[in-house]
Amino acid sequence: GESVGLHLPTLSVQEGDNSIINCAYSNSASDYFIWYKQESGKGPQFIIDIRSNMDKRQGQRVTVLLNKTVKHLSLQIAATQPGDSAVYFCAENQAAGNKLTFGGGTRVLVKP
Amino acid sequence: DAGVTQSPTHLIKTRGQQVTLRCSPKSGHDTVSWYQQALGQGPQFIFQYYEEEERQRGNFPDRFSGHQFPNYSSELNVNALLLGDSALYLCASSRVPGQGEAFFGQGTRLTVV
Repeated sequence: GESVGLHLPTLSVQEGDNSIINCAYSNSASDYFIWYKQESGKGPQFIIDIRSNMDKRQGQRVTVLLNKTVKHLSLQIAATQPGDSAVYFCAENQAAGNKLTFGGGTRVLVKP
Repeated sequence: DAGVTQSPTHLIKTRGQQVTLRCSPKSGHDTVSWYQQALGQGPQFIFQYYEEEERQRGNFPDRFSGHQFPNYSSELNVNALLLGDSALYLCASSRVPGQGEAFFGQGTRLTVV
């Protein structure tokens, strides 16, 4: 399959441990943030989103934290599984339309 | 319910040629955006189509053009291909611009030789 993110920062995590992926965004006007997961040979897959009027949102095994003061976003994955191995991107969306600006991405490798 | 579908999945072109990539949005979606993803990088926004018009455009030259059809499907055209145009081209669809998450297709891998 296609290899995505050959030169990306890598987070190695033991299966069952929690993972934390960080992202700094650039635009103070951004009001909507999304985390995407991209597996080799596939397009980005939506994981979780958060609007700028919130600072925390939880999904199934995932939590997104937003700190607007320092323009920082994080994704926490609980009990990381082998299927979580992928490249993770944060994306910010400004108020006008779905023009997403993506961060550089982090590769997560889950060790059995 | 079919998600976003793109064709072809892989394509090899020669420098100077022209290429057309196609995208069918997710059912119920009327907005299509195109992104270019170079190896090892995040996707970069090319442009967005809504109501058959280009609504927003990223920092890409005029060699990149597009079209949206009445059934909401879209094409991305690239003229005078350069080696640097080699990338994964992603299509994303959403409901009316600004209304929630965008769903991505699997992409078209374009190689320019």
